[in-house]
Amino acid sequence: NAGVTQTPKFQVLKTGQSMTLQCAQDMNHNSMYWYRQDPGMGLRLIYYSASEGTTDKGEVPNGYNVSRLNKREFSLRLESAAPSQTSVYFCASSPTGAVLSLHFGNGTRLTVT
Amino acid sequence: KQEVTQIPAALSVPEGENLVLNCSFTDSAIYNLQWFRQDPGKGLTSLLLIQSSQREQTSGRLNASLDKSSGRSTLYIAASQPGDSATYLCAVEKWGGANNLFFGTGTRLTVIP
Repeated sequence: NAGVTQTPKFQVLKTGQSMTLQCAQDMNHNSMYWYRQDPGMGLRLIYYSASEGTTDKGEVPNGYNVSRLNKREFSLRLESAAPSQTSVYFCASSPTGAVLSLHFGNGTRLTVT
Repeated sequence: KQEVTQIPAALSVPEGENLVLNCSFTDSAIYNLQWFRQDPGKGLTSLLLIQSSQREQTSGRLNASLDKSSGRSTLYIAASQPGDSATYLCAVEKWGGANNLFFGTGTRLTVIP
């Protein structure tokens, strides 16, 4: 079982460059999430999609956009990367909007120079 | 905003020792509390979920307790093994969905053979 798959695993960007982080889940989950994890801080929610066709802002949405392409896929886009966006990004999914059963991907380590 | 604190940030113990990890939170009006495990370079895996009406949950050598009135939870690991080495995070959920799940910064546990 693949679960939640994130690509790429590692990425280095220069300030101002753009990129899209991809996430796909094969568990038929309705809800999907993007988090960032920074040293000394808990995971923080960037955006989430409670169901296909909907997206909502989380705690730290500035500088990011998302697309719920279909039920399986939820992408995160950085339009103009900044050093403050250096972080580890995690995608997660859950069967419903309840956050009780989060399944996480293995993360994307992004460095912006 | 709910603040979730985990102390200590890191802990080393010899194999076979029983240990307790701590999690404290500032707002006692919670819906549930979860303990997660994170291995290096991996995502989070849910270990135990305690609903607000419960006081503890057990899974194998793990036991998690919840005291809402004091804003504390503990994760007890019995007879620790080197394979238990990982970072353990707690997360507190309030009513209201994805924007109301708050993560601690974690305790990095090393079990020395």
